[in-house]
Amino acid sequence: DFQMTQSPSSLSASVGDRVTITCRASQSISTYLNWYQQKPGKAPKLLIFAASSLQSGVPSRFSGSGSGTDFTLTISSLQPEDFATYYCQRSYSSPYTFGQGTKLEIK
Amino acid sequence: EVQLVESGGGLVQPGRSLRLSCAASGFTFGDYATHWVRQAPGKGLEWVSGISWNSGSTAYADSVKGRFTISRDNAKNTLYLQMNSLRTEDTALYYCAKDRGGFSGSLVYWGQGTLVTVSS
Repeated sequence: DFQMTQSPSSLSASVGDRVTITCRASQSISTYLNWYQQKPGKAPKLLIFAASSLQSGVPSRFSGSGSGTDFTLTISSLQPEDFATYYCQRSYSSPYTFGQGTKLEIK
Repeated sequence: EVQLVESGGGLVQPGRSLRLSCAASGFTFGDYATHWVRQAPGKGLEWVSGISWNSGSTAYADSVKGRFTISRDNAKNTLYLQMNSLRTEDTALYYCAKDRGGFSGSLVYWGQGTLVTVSS
Protein backbone atom coordinates (compact mmCIF):
# COMPACT_ATOMS: atom_id res chain seq x y z
CA ASP A 1 0.00 0.00 0.00
CA PHE A 2 1.15 3.51 -0.80
CA GLN A 3 2.04 5.54 2.31
CA MET A 4 3.11 9.06 3.21
CA THR A 5 5.16 9.32 6.41
CA GLN A 6 5.79 12.63 8.15
CA SER A 7 8.41 13.43 10.74
CA PRO A 8 8.38 14.50 13.41
CA SER A 9 4.84 13.78 14.62
CA SER A 10 5.08 16.76 16.92
CA LEU A 11 7.44 19.64 17.31
CA SER A 12 7.91 22.44 19.84
CA ALA A 13 9.36 25.72 18.64
CA SER A 14 9.46 29.41 19.48
CA VAL A 15 8.31 32.49 17.60
CA GLY A 16 11.06 33.45 15.16
CA ASP A 17 12.48 29.93 14.83
CA ARG A 18 13.14 28.26 11.50
CA VAL A 19 11.24 24.97 11.31
CA THR A 20 11.43 22.06 8.88
CA ILE A 21 8.93 19.23 8.54
CA THR A 22 9.73 16.16 6.45
CA CYS A 23 7.46 13.93 4.38
CA ARG A 24 8.51 10.67 2.78
CA ALA A 25 6.56 8.76 0.13
CA SER A 26 6.72 4.97 -0.04
CA GLN A 27 7.38 5.22 -3.79
CA SER A 28 8.44 8.02 -6.10
CA ILE A 29 5.80 10.67 -6.73
CA SER A 30 7.92 13.14 -8.73
CA THR A 31 6.85 16.57 -7.40
CA TYR A 32 3.19 15.64 -6.92
CA LEU A 33 3.07 16.73 -3.31
CA ASN A 34 0.93 19.22 -1.42
CA TRP A 35 1.20 20.73 2.07
CA TYR A 36 -1.76 21.84 4.19
CA GLN A 37 -2.16 23.69 7.47
CA GLN A 38 -5.02 22.93 9.85
CA LYS A 39 -5.91 24.87 12.97
CA PRO A 40 -8.18 23.43 15.69
CA GLY A 41 -11.84 23.41 14.69
CA LYS A 42 -11.08 24.66 11.19
CA ALA A 43 -10.89 23.12 7.73
CA PRO A 44 -7.43 22.54 6.26
CA LYS A 45 -5.80 25.22 4.12
CA LEU A 46 -3.65 24.51 1.07
CA LEU A 47 -0.19 26.06 1.49
CA ILE A 48 2.03 24.48 -1.15
CA PHE A 49 1.21 22.49 -4.30
CA ALA A 50 3.51 20.69 -6.74
CA ALA A 51 6.10 20.37 -3.95
CA SER A 52 7.31 23.98 -4.11
CA SER A 53 4.61 26.27 -5.53
CA LEU A 54 3.12 28.69 -3.03
CA GLN A 55 -0.68 28.86 -3.09
CA SER A 56 -2.05 32.36 -3.64
CA GLY A 57 -2.27 34.37 -0.43
CA VAL A 58 0.13 32.20 1.57
CA PRO A 59 2.97 34.12 3.23
CA SER A 60 6.40 33.77 1.67
CA ARG A 61 7.90 32.45 4.93
CA PHE A 62 6.44 29.10 3.88
CA SER A 63 8.41 27.12 1.32
CA GLY A 64 8.51 23.57 0.05
CA SER A 65 11.13 21.46 -1.66
CA GLY A 66 11.87 17.94 -2.75
CA SER A 67 11.11 15.40 -5.42
CA GLY A 68 10.85 11.66 -5.76
CA THR A 69 10.26 10.33 -2.26
CA ASP A 70 11.61 13.03 0.08
CA PHE A 71 10.02 16.41 0.68
CA THR A 72 10.30 19.24 3.18
CA LEU A 73 8.13 22.10 4.35
CA THR A 74 10.08 24.99 5.84
CA ILE A 75 8.78 27.95 7.81
CA SER A 76 11.56 30.51 7.82
CA SER A 77 10.52 32.54 10.86
CA LEU A 78 7.65 31.19 12.94
CA GLN A 79 4.79 33.54 13.65
CA PRO A 80 2.18 33.03 16.41
CA GLU A 81 -0.48 32.15 13.83
CA ASP A 82 1.66 29.30 12.43
CA PHE A 83 1.12 27.00 15.39
CA ALA A 84 -1.09 24.34 13.87
CA THR A 85 -0.99 20.83 12.42
CA TYR A 86 0.60 20.32 9.01
CA TYR A 87 -0.16 17.54 6.53
CA CYS A 88 1.51 16.43 3.33
CA GLN A 89 -0.55 14.78 0.57
CA ARG A 90 0.14 13.02 -2.70
CA SER A 91 -1.47 14.64 -5.72
CA TYR A 92 -2.21 13.67 -9.35
CA SER A 93 -2.60 9.96 -8.59
CA SER A 94 -5.29 8.40 -6.45
CA PRO A 95 -5.54 7.55 -3.69
CA TYR A 96 -4.58 11.09 -2.71
CA THR A 97 -3.06 9.88 0.53
CA PHE A 98 -2.29 12.26 3.41
CA GLY A 99 0.56 11.95 5.85
CA GLN A 100 -0.35 11.43 9.50
CA GLY A 101 0.30 15.06 10.39
CA THR A 102 2.86 17.09 12.32
CA LYS A 103 1.61 19.14 15.27
CA LEU A 104 3.61 22.32 15.73
CA GLU A 105 3.36 23.65 19.27
CA ILE A 106 4.65 26.68 21.09
CA LYS A 107 7.75 26.07 23.23
CA GLU B 1 -16.75 34.05 -2.69
CA VAL B 2 -16.37 30.28 -2.96
CA GLN B 3 -18.61 28.41 -0.55
CA LEU B 4 -19.04 24.71 0.08
CA VAL B 5 -21.75 23.72 2.54
CA GLU B 6 -22.05 20.09 3.60
CA SER B 7 -25.22 18.53 5.02
CA GLY B 8 -26.75 15.14 5.72
CA GLY B 9 -24.62 14.00 8.62
CA GLY B 10 -26.03 12.52 11.80
CA LEU B 11 -26.21 9.48 14.03
CA VAL B 12 -26.72 6.17 12.23
CA GLN B 13 -26.53 2.54 13.27
CA PRO B 14 -23.86 0.21 11.90
CA GLY B 15 -24.90 -1.40 8.63
CA ARG B 16 -27.26 1.42 7.70
CA SER B 17 -26.93 4.06 4.97
CA LEU B 18 -26.58 7.83 4.80
CA ARG B 19 -26.27 10.33 1.95
CA LEU B 20 -24.19 13.47 2.31
CA SER B 21 -24.63 16.54 0.15
CA CYS B 22 -22.36 19.48 -0.57
CA ALA B 23 -23.85 22.65 -2.03
CA ALA B 24 -21.35 24.75 -3.97
CA SER B 25 -21.49 28.43 -4.86
CA GLY B 26 -19.19 31.24 -5.92
CA PHE B 27 -17.54 29.38 -8.78
CA THR B 28 -18.47 27.38 -11.88
CA PHE B 29 -19.06 24.06 -10.14
CA GLY B 30 -19.26 22.08 -13.37
CA ASP B 31 -15.70 23.06 -14.30
CA TYR B 32 -13.95 21.43 -11.35
CA ALA B 33 -13.35 18.05 -9.81
CA THR B 34 -14.52 17.77 -6.21
CA HIS B 35 -13.67 15.45 -3.36
CA TRP B 36 -14.68 14.14 0.04
CA VAL B 37 -12.13 14.05 2.88
CA ARG B 38 -12.86 12.83 6.39
CA GLN B 39 -11.34 13.29 9.80
CA ALA B 40 -12.11 10.97 12.69
CA PRO B 41 -12.31 12.69 16.09
CA GLY B 42 -8.80 13.67 17.20
CA LYS B 43 -7.21 12.01 14.16
CA GLY B 44 -5.65 13.04 10.86
CA LEU B 45 -7.08 13.64 7.42
CA GLU B 46 -8.18 10.77 5.18
CA TRP B 47 -9.04 11.34 1.52
CA VAL B 48 -12.23 9.38 0.80
CA SER B 49 -13.33 9.91 -2.79
CA GLY B 50 -13.14 12.25 -5.78
CA ILE B 51 -15.08 12.87 -8.98
CA SER B 52 -14.06 14.67 -12.15
CA TRP B 53 -15.90 17.71 -13.50
CA ASN B 54 -18.11 15.66 -15.83
CA SER B 55 -18.44 12.53 -13.64
CA GLY B 56 -16.32 10.66 -16.17
CA SER B 57 -13.77 9.64 -13.54
CA THR B 58 -14.26 8.63 -9.94
CA ALA B 59 -11.80 7.38 -7.34
CA TYR B 60 -12.11 5.89 -3.87
CA ALA B 61 -9.97 5.05 -0.90
CA ASP B 62 -9.64 1.31 -0.34
CA SER B 63 -11.34 1.72 3.03
CA VAL B 64 -14.64 2.75 1.37
CA LYS B 65 -14.48 1.10 -2.04
CA GLY B 66 -17.62 -0.92 -2.75
CA ARG B 67 -19.56 0.78 0.07
CA PHE B 68 -19.49 4.50 -0.83
CA THR B 69 -20.54 6.11 -4.12
CA ILE B 70 -19.67 9.66 -5.14
CA SER B 71 -21.83 11.56 -7.61
CA ARG B 72 -22.61 15.11 -8.67
CA ASP B 73 -25.39 17.14 -10.23
CA ASN B 74 -23.85 20.08 -12.07
CA ALA B 75 -27.27 21.59 -12.77
CA LYS B 76 -27.84 21.79 -9.00
CA ASN B 77 -24.23 22.67 -8.11
CA THR B 78 -24.24 19.78 -5.67
CA LEU B 79 -21.86 16.95 -4.76
CA TYR B 80 -23.08 13.77 -3.07
CA LEU B 81 -21.66 10.86 -1.14
CA GLN B 82 -23.87 7.80 -0.74
CA MET B 83 -22.56 5.78 2.17
CA ASN B 84 -23.83 2.20 2.58
CA SER B 85 -22.95 -0.57 5.02
CA LEU B 86 -21.63 1.98 7.49
CA ARG B 87 -19.14 0.88 10.12
CA THR B 88 -18.14 2.41 13.44
CA GLU B 89 -14.78 3.32 11.90
CA ASP B 90 -16.60 5.58 9.39
CA THR B 91 -17.36 7.99 12.26
CA ALA B 92 -15.78 11.28 11.25
CA LEU B 93 -16.25 14.85 10.16
CA TYR B 94 -16.75 14.74 6.38
CA TYR B 95 -15.47 17.66 4.34
CA CYS B 96 -16.13 18.38 0.70
CA ALA B 97 -13.39 20.18 -1.16
CA LYS B 98 -12.83 21.77 -4.56
CA ASP B 99 -9.94 20.61 -6.70
CA ARG B 100 -7.42 23.20 -7.77
CA GLY B 101 -7.64 22.02 -11.38
CA GLY B 102 -7.88 18.86 -13.47
CA PHE B 103 -8.27 15.87 -11.18
CA SER B 104 -5.14 16.74 -9.22
CA GLY B 105 -6.35 16.09 -5.71
CA SER B 106 -4.96 19.49 -4.67
CA LEU B 107 -7.77 20.82 -2.50
CA VAL B 108 -7.97 24.57 -2.61
CA TYR B 109 -11.36 25.26 -0.98
CA TRP B 110 -13.01 23.30 1.79
CA GLY B 111 -16.38 23.32 3.51
CA GLN B 112 -16.75 23.26 7.27
CA GLY B 113 -17.77 19.62 7.35
CA THR B 114 -20.72 17.49 8.44
CA LEU B 115 -20.38 15.02 11.30
CA VAL B 116 -21.26 11.37 10.78
CA THR B 117 -21.50 9.18 13.86
CA VAL B 118 -21.93 5.44 13.39
CA SER B 119 -23.00 3.82 16.61
CA SER B 120 -25.59 1.41 17.97
